[in-house]
Amino acid sequence: GNSVTQMEGPVTLSEEAFLTINCTYTATGYPSLFWYVQYPGEGLQLLLKATKADDKGSNKGFEATYRKETTSFHLEKGSVQVSDSAVYFCALRKPNTGNQFYFGTGTSLTVIP
Amino acid sequence: EAGVAQSPRYKIIEKRQSVAFWCNPISGHATLYWYQQILGQGPKLLIQFQNNGVVDDSQLPKDRFSAERLKGVDSTLKIQPAKLEDSAVYLCASSLDLMGTDTQYFGPGTRLTVL
Repeated sequence: GNSVTQMEGPVTLSEEAFLTINCTYTATGYPSLFWYVQYPGEGLQLLLKATKADDKGSNKGFEATYRKETTSFHLEKGSVQVSDSAVYFCALRKPNTGNQFYFGTGTSLTVIP
Repeated sequence: EAGVAQSPRYKIIEKRQSVAFWCNPISGHATLYWYQQILGQGPKLLIQFQNNGVVDDSQLPKDRFSAERLKGVDSTLKIQPAKLEDSAVYLCASSLDLMGTDTQYFGPGTRLTVL
């Protein structure tokens, strides 16, 4: 089947620390992979995506590389800010047949000054 | 450009009551999704529409949940009767293309509490 496993939180970091949030997936076929972010009181927003193996998605200083050999799509940022405090969701889109999305459980990040 | 609109934002009902949620997607978006997000979990797709046709409703509890998208624009999701385990945030999302391959844009959600 199709599923996404995310690193459990919550994660608390000091400002300017390095961030990694692990995400691994199980999928049939060749899924597209996504990171969504949910800021407090707001809806989910697309952060970045990668549609094929070895693609790197990047946005707002965040990066994630689609690794087919390890079935992973880990989210990284070199220097986090307080404004990055949010819940991060890894997701995959099942190819074909309606392109259904599967989300991970989310990882809460708090960045302290 | 206006985003995905949902109402109400919050709803509290007693078990066995009925409730309905409304979603207005971004103008021109062909695909509309309803997700259920239980506290501490990721969103789970309930139903996906392409225009006014259902593409996937395999995870919709059809004995109590129903959804429609008349005229291929806005949509309603109904629960009748509600159970305690239906307490969750119900998210609506839309994407531009018919195949659902474009970016999904999410609404703010409706938080349902069933007592």
